[in-house]
Amino acid sequence: DAGITQSPRHKVTETGTPVTLRCHQTENHRYMYWYRQDPGHGLRLIHYSYGVKDTDKGEVSDGYSVSRSKTEDFLLTLESATSSQTSVYFCAISGNGNQPQHFGDGTRLSIL
Amino acid sequence: DQQVKQNSPSLSVQEGRISILNCDYTNSMFDYFLWYKKYPAEGPTFLISISSIKDKNEDGRFTVFLNKSAKHLSLHIVPSQPGDSAVYFCAASAGGTSYGKLTFGQGTILTVHP
Repeated sequence: DAGITQSPRHKVTETGTPVTLRCHQTENHRYMYWYRQDPGHGLRLIHYSYGVKDTDKGEVSDGYSVSRSKTEDFLLTLESATSSQTSVYFCAISGNGNQPQHFGDGTRLSIL
Repeated sequence: DQQVKQNSPSLSVQEGRISILNCDYTNSMFDYFLWYKKYPAEGPTFLISISSIKDKNEDGRFTVFLNKSAKHLSLHIVPSQPGDSAVYFCAASAGGTSYGKLTFGQGTILTVHP
């Protein structure tokens, strides 16, 4: 299995609070991604990174920001969480954009 | 606008028989396609991929077929095993400014009965 660790694995928080999810990889891969999975939608790309300090938006980026200060870490931040951001969040990595992405085990986030 | 669609939410097959999972796409710029399998409480696991220059790719029990004119791909699992029971997602990506970005279908729940 690809060395990807997501933390926390579960989190419950209240509307309006900031939340940061962490993705840590040990594969030294250049590309890292954040997705959310919701019923009826499959996985949707939130943001991705193609190198340290290089990030770009995905399909559902509103309300989310990301940072990548080191190759191994990719942080996803919800500045002011809303109930619509209740979801399962997955991090993925790949060596380049045309290689299969490998996923972490997800973070289940509930916003009350 | 769902650019990748899996129109069958679920599929049930008998152990030993063939499972066929289908996926349709609308974006003609997609040139790389993948299938992932997902068990509950785990992340998706890569199964098999195909680029648009091919129409078939095999890996053991798994074969992916691509029909570019119909914008359709399918995953065949032969023979199906109970351990194949999972959610299957197809995904697609394009080159250019979309390089590396995957668009997923909604998923199909496969149940293989012993």
